[in-house]
Amino acid sequence: EVQLLESGGGLVQPGGSLRLSCAASGFTFSSYSMSWVRQAPGKGLEWVSSIDGSGSVTFYADSVEGRFTISRDHSKNTVLLQLNSLRADDTAVYYCAKRTQGAAAGSDCWGQGTLVTVSS
Amino acid sequence: EIVLTQSPGTLSLSPGERATLSCRASQSVSSSFLAWYQQKPGQAPRLLIYGASNRATGIPDRFSGSGSGTDFTLTISRLEPEDFAVYYCQNYGMSRITFGQGTRLEIK
Repeated sequence: EVQLLESGGGLVQPGGSLRLSCAASGFTFSSYSMSWVRQAPGKGLEWVSSIDGSGSVTFYADSVEGRFTISRDHSKNTVLLQLNSLRADDTAVYYCAKRTQGAAAGSDCWGQGTLVTVSS
Repeated sequence: EIVLTQSPGTLSLSPGERATLSCRASQSVSSSFLAWYQQKPGQAPRLLIYGASNRATGIPDRFSGSGSGTDFTLTISRLEPEDFAVYYCQNYGMSRITFGQGTRLEIK
């Protein structure tokens, strides 16, 4: 069974840092691009960042470029998201998601999410 | 940046009725990159349709997707009580992913 399990969320002060982890199982980890998507309370879905299967190609939303860093640890089948210089508007549930296989794209598996709250 | 605009914002229908949800892109997008998701309160999104018209694994055939270019549609042929939720379209671009703002499907 394909599973994603996020961890690392919590309460952090503005300007602080957190590292989110997404543990993957049930599929060949290095074969799939992975993404982070967030959802602020009561709001819609916002893409944050993506990384290709090898870990060598990364993309970021303008809102997090230069503050967040995505990476993957193939030895642990884990996708990481380092969040620095956090702001109140980064408060959200952060989901990791796995891309579908093949040309037709979508995210066919999502974790349960981890809540990040930025507040003093 | 491609902007996806979903309409209507809220759709009020009864079980058994047909639902038609629209997603319009600010510029032409590849059908291969257009997906639809369902999200219920407190849950992660669930992939319904990818590549504009391909149903994801386990998705009932009352859900269907269509469209090309800038106009895409999600149709639910006969609403079941469990279908009332928020629906998002997504452009899964090569270097950037964008979501529509969502359509809330509520029971009338």
